[in-house]
Amino acid sequence: DVKVTQSSRYLVKRTGEKVFLECVQDMDHENMFWYRQDPGLGLRLIYFSYDVKMKEKGDIPEGYSVSREKKERFSLILESASTNQTSMYLCASSPSGSHEQYFGPGTRLTVT
Amino acid sequence: AQSVTQLDSQVPVFEEAPVELRCNYSSSVSVYLFWYVQYPNQGLQLLLKYLSGSTLVKGINGFEAEFNKSQTSFHLRKPSVHISDTAEYFCAVSRSGGSNYKLTFGKGTLLTVNP
Repeated sequence: DVKVTQSSRYLVKRTGEKVFLECVQDMDHENMFWYRQDPGLGLRLIYFSYDVKMKEKGDIPEGYSVSREKKERFSLILESASTNQTSMYLCASSPSGSHEQYFGPGTRLTVT
Repeated sequence: AQSVTQLDSQVPVFEEAPVELRCNYSSSVSVYLFWYVQYPNQGLQLLLKYLSGSTLVKGINGFEAEFNKSQTSFHLRKPSVHISDTAEYFCAVSRSGGSNYKLTFGKGTLLTVNP
């Protein structure tokens, strides 16, 4: 079974803090994705990566950055957390050539 | 670009009743279509997918969906629901072929199954 893990299920941070969300997949997938999920808005793509050290902006990249130094790990960084970044963050991965994505359990981030 | 519209934000049904969750998409190119389910406090799990071939697709937990190209729809159905089907369901679309693996999701439909 594909396993995608996220470093925290729940996280509380203060406004202005730098926040790191980690995602690790164990199936040697090339593609990795970060989404945020908000009630009534569904999932929106923040960033994605098709290979190590590669990254591309999704639909809502403002206020976020990413890092992919190793194939299995994809980090989402909030440079200066703000209250409007309070959300559920979901990581996903997929193998090269496949459009089917496998999701982690999510990190519920609260910024106060 | 692709877009997905899930016509109902909430669908309440009684146990053992049939259910249909509606999904329409918009795209100028050929697409792949997916339904994902999210149980409370969990990530998303793939229910079923349409890539090509038969337009009637069967998935896990007794769900099925039918791809209708002329109506640009991919509605999800189950003939008899259980309490355990209570969850949020997301329809998603991806451009077929090429190397663009992004999914565009609908806003979700919350299915509540009542006893």
